[in-house]
Formats: sequence, structure tokens, C-alpha cells
Amino acid sequence: DTAVSQTPKYLVTQMGNDKSIKCEQNLGHDTMYWYKQDSKKFLKIMFSYNNKELIINETVPNRFSPKSPDKAHLNLHINSLELGDSAVYFCASSRIGDGAKTQYFGPGTRLLVL
Amino acid sequence: AQTVTQSQPEMSVQEAETVTLSCTYDTSESNYYLFWYKQPPSRQMILVIRQEAYKQQNATENRFSVNFQKAAKSFSLKISDSQLGDTAMYFCAFMKSQGAQKLVFGQGTRLTINP
Repeated sequence: DTAVSQTPKYLVTQMGNDKSIKCEQNLGHDTMYWYKQDSKKFLKIMFSYNNKELIINETVPNRFSPKSPDKAHLNLHINSLELGDSAVYFCASSRIGDGAKTQYFGPGTRLLVL
Repeated sequence: AQTVTQSQPEMSVQEAETVTLSCTYDTSESNYYLFWYKQPPSRQMILVIRQEAYKQQNATENRFSVNFQKAAKSFSLKISDSQLGDTAMYFCAFMKSQGAQKLVFGQGTRLTINP
């Protein structure tokens, strides 16, 4: 029943490791997003995909690589993790043609890099 | 670039009181959308209310209403008859109606409802 789901919910890892976060939506939306919430709770867009095409790439380091195998999935792979990558990562989805433009968020993945 | 400012980092009121959270934004766009999202301790981002800039009528959702002043670029959220479950971070957000569909968030206001 979950509209936007993310796995894992928590991720603790060492500096230098590579990790992935997965996102799936069952709302039939055509656009998906990744947002980062830092330790001060500030939320900022990272990426957006529409129908598997990258449409927003907001000056994120190359170590972050989103991948969208289909409209319902958007994964985030992070290489060579750094301490500063510790944050909560939110996936969201919306329908571009939806007049309301509402984005629906997943539960978030708390990443802690040690 | 658009910016969103929430000038109240924290607020605290008694249960059943009315509270207003402030939000101002800066944009050169004439058409856009504004949102209030709630983030309780569970961390989930929950849509509270949304407003289309071309609509003059202020949006309402049960106990939640907004005061949208387009000329002043102000979008405040009023919570009536506040409940303990309203305790959360509240984020104001802006989105252009054309182009990249990204939400630009304010810094958030931490609201505590006291029994």
C-alpha cells in the first residue's frame, strides 16, 4: 500500500565505501526526485527524472549517480562516501501533467558515514 | 533564483490555540505553486496544503489555512485549534509552474504544541 518506498531506512557505513539507496513508487507518476536533508534540516533537490530521462542535476558531486530503470524506480548510488554525505535522503514522485504539481515523499533514508 | 525564507526557527503554543507560521519568497515568476509540508518526528514529509498563485482565494484544509499575499510575496500558514499531533517541523516550499519541477524549501519552523 505504500505510495513511495525507500530501502534501506537506515544506512551506517565507513568512509570510502560505495552504497545504494532504492526508491519505488506505485502511484503511476512519471517523475521522480532525490532530495537531501542536512543536519540543520535544510532540504535541497539533487536530481529529477522524467520517464527515465534526467531533467534536473543540481550541481551534485560526480560521486552521486542516479539510475532510473523504469518510471516507477529511481535509485541513488554513492561512490567513495565522505563524512559530509551523512544526511537524510528523500525520494519523491509526481505527475508532470498534474495541475496540482504535488510531490509525494518517501519515508527517507538516514545515511551515517563514519 | 527563487528563495524561500521562514523567519521563525521555533514556535510553541498551547493545545487548542491558533498559531500562524510565516513564509516569504522571492521570485520573478508570475505563475507558480506554494506548499506547506509537515515533518513530524517520524521524519515523513507530509503535504499540509498547497496554493496556486493564479488563484486569489486562499486555500483551506480543515484546521489549516493560508494567507497568500502575492504582491507581498507572503504565504503564511494558520493552524486553528492546534492539537498535540501538530507538533512537527513545518516547511514552506515554492515551485515554478514551468520548467524544472523542483521544490525550493525554506529553512523550516519547529512547532511544539504543549498540553
